[in-house]
Amino acid sequence: AQSVTQPDIHITVSEGASLELRCNYSYGATPYLFWYVQSPGQGLQLLLKYFSGDTLVQGIKGFEAEFKRSQSSFNLRKPSVHWSDAAEYFCVSGGSNYKLTFGKGTLLTVNP
Amino acid sequence: DGGITQSPKYLFRKEGQNVTLSCEQNLNHDAMYWYRQDPGQGLRLIYYSQIVNDFQKGDIAEGYSVSREKKESFPLTVTSAQKNPTAFYLCASSINPPNTEAFFGQGTRLTVV
Repeated sequence: AQSVTQPDIHITVSEGASLELRCNYSYGATPYLFWYVQSPGQGLQLLLKYFSGDTLVQGIKGFEAEFKRSQSSFNLRKPSVHWSDAAEYFCVSGGSNYKLTFGKGTLLTVNP
Repeated sequence: DGGITQSPKYLFRKEGQNVTLSCEQNLNHDAMYWYRQDPGQGLRLIYYSQIVNDFQKGDIAEGYSVSREKKESFPLTVTSAQKNPTAFYLCASSINPPNTEAFFGQGTRLTVV
């Protein structure tokens, strides 16, 4: 069965520091991969997506992610975090059916 | 503007009552989804619909029901059979899953007292 693992439940970084959120997926073929962000009490907003091609994808708000097939990973990165980036981040995969599989999320806290 | 509208944002109900959550989209998407979100659980799929008049159970469908009579609308009913209905509910839609992204509504927080 398809699965997505986000190993870090909660991460705290200082404003201006770099960020990497980890994501590992389990799927036989190349999955469709997404990162979403959720502010408290809100819906989810798409940051970026990977379907095929260039393994380094750029997203909104200065985020990027790199697909590494050998490691089954799709980690999200940002070179310099802003206080407004504090939110919960979800790694998501899609497969051959209509179902999306969500990781359990990583809560990001940004210290001033 | 195109998007997904969920209403109401907050909903309170007494235990034992059925309640219906609204989800409307004007994106012309074929696929629609309902997810339940609990702290630390991520999002769990309740029901999804690929086309009008068709829907499938997700991972946690027990105690829930849906209908898809119109392309734009996918209401979710939380029945009295749902043992723990208090949660945050999210509706989403997608034009051509799984290789296009899902768009999400702002959610409905249901509290059963």
